[in-house]
This record gives sequence, C-alpha cells and structure tokens, in this order.
Amino acid sequence: QTVVTQEPSFSVSPGGTVTLTCGLSSGSVSTSYYPSWYQQTPGQAPRTLIYNTNTRSSGVPDRFSGSILGNKAALTITGAQADDECDYYCLLYMGSGIWVFGGGTKLTVL
Amino acid sequence: EVQLVESGGGLVQPGGSLRLSCAASGFTFSNYWMTWVRQAPGKGLEWVANIKQDGSATYYVVSVKGRFTISRDNAKNSLYLQMNSLRAEDTAVYYCARYRGDGCFDPWGQGTLVTVSS
Repeated sequence: QTVVTQEPSFSVSPGGTVTLTCGLSSGSVSTSYYPSWYQQTPGQAPRTLIYNTNTRSSGVPDRFSGSILGNKAALTITGAQADDECDYYCLLYMGSGIWVFGGGTKLTVL
Repeated sequence: EVQLVESGGGLVQPGGSLRLSCAASGFTFSNYWMTWVRQAPGKGLEWVANIKQDGSATYYVVSVKGRFTISRDNAKNSLYLQMNSLRAEDTAVYYCARYRGDGCFDPWGQGTLVTVSS
C-alpha cells in the first residue's frame, strides 16, 4: 500500500518562508492526485487551505500557496506568523474512490 | 451559512455498534459527495469513507471495510456512519465534510468523539 509522506516537523522564523512537501513512498505526485492541504490547530476541526494543487480556499491569505515541486506536492508559507504554528496535512486521491492523508507536519514558528 | 454538525459519538464496548449522524445546512445537500474522516487521539487525519450524491457509490478505507457503512438521507439533509464490530483502534474524533470536487473537502464539522473501551 502506497504511503503519503510528509516531514514530521519543520521550523520557520517569524517572517520567513517555509515549504512543506507531500510525497509518495512509491512514485511521483502529480496534479492527477488532486493534492490538497489542511491546517489544524489543537482541538479544532481541519481548515481547508489549498485544493486542486494550487487553488486557495475562500478566505485563505495569499501567503499560502500550493504547487508541484519535483515529484512532490508542496505548500509554501511566506511571511510566517505566530498563528501559523500548528499541524498541516496533505491529502491525495489514489484512484478508485480512495483518498489518503499524509502523516502531517507540525510547524513551529520561532 | 454552510454548516455540518456531527452527533452520536460516545463510549462503546469492543464489538459494539454506534451510528454517527451529520446534519447539513446552508447548501443543497443532494448535490454533493460527502465524506467521513477520523482522527485518533494524538494522531493524524485518516480518510474513512465517501458517498456519492444519490448514495449509489460508496468507498471505504481498508481498515473499516465490512464493518462500517456510510449512508445518507437527502430528504433529511443528513449523512450517517453505521459502525459495527468496533475495535479499540476505532477510537477517534469523527468529522464529516462536504466534497466540492477537485480535491476540495470543505467545510468540516466540529467532530464527534467515539471511544471504544471496556
């Protein structure tokens, strides 16, 4: 079974730029996987940030952007702020009606 | 306002059953695929199941196939998850979400906690 991979943790300085990635244990991520990204703070429901690789969800600031970088999907956060410190999950479509989340990245802003 | 509200969670013994509900409002429920996603305590998100607009197609993660059944009642704007033969590893917060297409799951409900324990 293919596993969706994410960095377990990442750190960024306030005001800095960070790129989180979403890959596959076997193969490359492409737009055909409809990569999407979700932000989650402790105790809260996920919030949709990006879908269809690079489309921002309503109300999401343009500091957040999605792309394909090499063989992975990527979420880039520019001008990192303190309240960006939380968990980020990617989700990929595996075909045949099946979706798989990555393990999540815990982002620290310090 | 588009809103999803889950209910039905609680404490159940291993081997038991539980039915979760998700009440939808603020949009035409029958026009959308719907989804259940869960999150075990301290763990990541896990996609559980999807159901087509008319209920004619359903998909499940391997770990729940044969035990869980996703269904919907478009007349009541409601989504359901019937969970049978529950195991300790099914303990999680269960979220419902609307699938808007192009990989977009939005919005999400606030979640309901299911605890499987003796």
